[in-house]
Amino acid sequence: GENVEQHPSTLSVQEGDSAVIKCTYSDSASNYFPWYKQELGKRPQLIIDIRSNVGEKKDQRIAVTLNKTAKHFSLHITETQPEDSAVYFCAALSSGNTPLVFGKGTRLSVIA
Amino acid sequence: DAMVIQNPRYQVTQFGKPVTLSCSQTLNHNVMYWYQQKSSQAPKLLFHYYDKDFNNEADTPDNFQSRRPNTSFCFLDIRSPGLGDTAMYLCATRLGGGLNEQFFGPGTRLTVL
Repeated sequence: GENVEQHPSTLSVQEGDSAVIKCTYSDSASNYFPWYKQELGKRPQLIIDIRSNVGEKKDQRIAVTLNKTAKHFSLHITETQPEDSAVYFCAALSSGNTPLVFGKGTRLSVIA
Repeated sequence: DAMVIQNPRYQVTQFGKPVTLSCSQTLNHNVMYWYQQKSSQAPKLLFHYYDKDFNNEADTPDNFQSRRPNTSFCFLDIRSPGLGDTAMYLCATRLGGGLNEQFFGPGTRLTVL
């Protein structure tokens, strides 16, 4: 089955700097890769996703890149702000009929 | 305009006393999931329904069961909660058959004393 590895597990950046979180997956059939942000005590919320027919997607300060050959995808947050502090989870989906497989999460702290 | 609703939001129960958590959705999604989440770990899938088909994860404890009486509602029953079952329980839904977004409910924080 699919296995998703996520790194780093914790990340501290200064406000205004960029943050990058990386994930690798094992199943070459995976073709949908969402990123969720979870603030303390709240539900995971989708912040961006990418499908395998594109290599990059951007939404304001966040972007995701996908390398299908290498089976890895990354989340990029530019101009970080304190409200970006949260736990971020990547995930992979191999078909519409199987559950998402999550990475273990990255705790991002943005220091003002 | 809440899309995935969970009740109660907080539940305290005694060791061994059965508890039921509920989830409802207004999205008409055919797939519903139950996750257990501890201390900012990744959500751990307990089971899911694809339409009426029930799928149990291999390592889900036997005292965790689920019911889905119709498309909109799903229940998590914990027959004999142990202290280790203290966690956040998240319900999620997705429109199956395609590469579609998964929506989470707000969660029920369960404390077993």
